[in-house]
Amino acid sequence: RKEVEQDPGPFNVPEGATVAFNCTYSNSASQSFFWYRQDCRKEPKLLMSVYSSGNEDGRFTAQLNRASQYISLLIRDSKLSDSATYLCVVSYNFNKFYFGSGTKLNVKP
Amino acid sequence: GAVVSQHPSWVICKSGTSVKIECRSLDFQATTMFWYRQFPKQSLMLMATSNEGSKATYEQGVEKDKFLINHASLTLSTLTVTSAHPEDSSFYICSATGLAARLQETQYFGPGTRLLVL
Repeated sequence: RKEVEQDPGPFNVPEGATVAFNCTYSNSASQSFFWYRQDCRKEPKLLMSVYSSGNEDGRFTAQLNRASQYISLLIRDSKLSDSATYLCVVSYNFNKFYFGSGTKLNVKP
Repeated sequence: GAVVSQHPSWVICKSGTSVKIECRSLDFQATTMFWYRQFPKQSLMLMATSNEGSKATYEQGVEKDKFLINHASLTLSTLTVTSAHPEDSSFYICSATGLAARLQETQYFGPGTRLLVL
């Protein structure tokens, strides 16, 4: 079983839509959770960390559900520029990070 | 803050040559650096983890004699692809975590190096 699993998508949504991705992780001892964004042929960029209490940054909201071992990312009012691959990252010590395979989002006009 | 650079950004070389890629943390001390490889339309694959002053820890299936990693200082790690072959063509990305509390948990990525072996 993979450490981190994501639906690869693609999620095709119109501008202005709300879209949500989930990511499940297998190690219940996981401590740190992140969402990264990766544009085509570029390096991943940190979108947000995910805390137990949830985290909101503008149109982006991340939630952590430890009981069910998943994290989620909600994007409201999607923009064309949100089109990218969203990577879920989980760590249970600061020396090891596990990446999901990414969820591709296409926001269309 | 927390900027990571990589050099070169792209390399084209002949089969059999060795290629050295540098990863630098510009504004923080990187206790740990990670090297990843990414093939087109695939996820990042961790190759190795290196801590300053110690030998790198390689992931299963990654040949340590082919991918030489040196982490000589808290701001520099190098990856050398020895005797490169066309199947080594890929996007190589480094990342780093730092000493400061806020930097320990989060990986900061370099811009990546595209390697094409002819």
